[in-house]
Amino acid sequence: AQRVTQPEKLLSVFKGAPVELKCNYSYSGSPELFWYVQYSRQRLQLLLRHISRESIKGFTADLNKGETSFHLKKPFAQEEDSAMYYCALSGYNQGGKLIFGQGTELSVKP
Amino acid sequence: EPEVTQTPSHQVTQMGQEVILRCVPISNHLYFYWYRQILGQKVEFLVSFYNNEISEKSEIFDDQFSVERPDGSNFTLKIRSTKLEDSAMYFCAGQKTEAFFGQGTRLTVV
Repeated sequence: AQRVTQPEKLLSVFKGAPVELKCNYSYSGSPELFWYVQYSRQRLQLLLRHISRESIKGFTADLNKGETSFHLKKPFAQEEDSAMYYCALSGYNQGGKLIFGQGTELSVKP
Repeated sequence: EPEVTQTPSHQVTQMGQEVILRCVPISNHLYFYWYRQILGQKVEFLVSFYNNEISEKSEIFDDQFSVERPDGSNFTLKIRSTKLEDSAMYFCAGQKTEAFFGQGTRLTVV
C-alpha cells in the first residue's frame, strides 16, 4: 500500500531550538519524496524534494531508504517557520499524483 | 511569478445542488489535478488530467464528479449533486516538473 505517515499532529518548540518533523512512507518501488509547507491562509507550496538535495530556508531532509523515512530538519527554528508541513510522495513517472501525510503543525514560540 | 488561480474562494451550496469549481493553471503546465481536504484530515488525491483526458482517478471520484478543460485554460471540477460529506477544501494543481497549487476553494454543503 502507498502511504505517508506523519506521527506528530502538532510540534511546538521555542525559537532557536532544533526541529525535526518526522515522515515515514510505504511504497512499492522508488518514490520521489517531497515536503510541502502551508503558511497561515496561504497555498500549499513546495519546500523541498529529495532529488534536488537542497537546503531551503535552512531546512534539509534526507531520504533513508532503509528506514523508509524522509524527516525534515532545521537546526535553529524561527518564528516565521510556524506553519503546516506536509510530507508527500509520488511515483517517479512524470505526472504522478501526490500522496500526502496528515500534516504536522509546527509552532515556534518566541 | 505566475500562480494557479481558483475561483470562488468560498462556496456555500444546498445539498443536491450542482457546483462547479474553477481553476486557471499556469500556461505551460502539462498535468492537472484536483485534491480535496476535509477539515482535520489529510489532503487526498481526486483526479489527474493529461492530454485532455483523465489519466488517473481515486475511489472518491465517483460518477458525481467530472472534470473538464474546455478552452485550454480553465480546468473545472463539477460535482453534480452535492452531499454534506463533500464539504471540504478543494485544491487544484498544475505541473510541468513540480506541482503548483491554487489557494483552494472552501466548499460548504448545507
